[in-house]
Amino acid sequence: DGGITQSPKYLFRKEGQNVTLSCEQNLNHDAMYWYRQDPGQGLRLIYYSQIVNDFQKGDIAEGYSVSREKKESFPLTVTSAQKNPTAFYLCASSIDQGLAKNIQYFGAGTRLSVL
Amino acid sequence: AQSVTQLDSHVSVSEGTPVLLRCNYSSSYSPSLFWYVQHPNKGLQLLLKYTSAATLVKGINGFEAEFKKSETSFHLTKPSAHMSDAAEYFCVVSPGTYKYIFGTGTRLKVLA
Repeated sequence: DGGITQSPKYLFRKEGQNVTLSCEQNLNHDAMYWYRQDPGQGLRLIYYSQIVNDFQKGDIAEGYSVSREKKESFPLTVTSAQKNPTAFYLCASSIDQGLAKNIQYFGAGTRLSVL
Repeated sequence: AQSVTQLDSHVSVSEGTPVLLRCNYSSSYSPSLFWYVQHPNKGLQLLLKYTSAATLVKGINGFEAEFKKSETSFHLTKPSAHMSDAAEYFCVVSPGTYKYIFGTGTRLKVLA
């Protein structure tokens, strides 16, 4: 089945620890995105990548880092600099041509909590 | 500046009655507009997409939305609510490639 896989489903972070959230897609999409979701605030963009080896900051990039070494993978690291990391994190991908142009496809999310 | 406003944070309907979820947008260009649904602890699933081909857009699960440029609205409707429709719904405007602006969501409750 084609789609986006996020892992783990639940993640716990200790004080001062960096944690990495995985996002893999087999849709052959060029663009990938990371969003943070907090109750009542909708989705806020952390980072996005239009192509391999390139990415841009979104609206709330502070305390997060990403890499895009492969087309299929876009991992997100929540660093110790992110003081309020508890949230639901969603990864998405999109393509800019064809019938699915501009439609974002989402993974099932990772819920991060602080111990 | 582009923006999207979902006018109701919560909507309750009885099973079998119509659903109306309201969305207004602001955009300098002719945007793409989307409605997504999210069930608890799940990702977002596309319901429908507007891209200027037709003002009335039909989506999955019996949902549809009408684009009204004069009112800058893109309201989501369904003639008859089902218990399985209970979820959170997001209106999204895309003013350009790789750019998406999400509304704050409307939580739909369906009463038996």
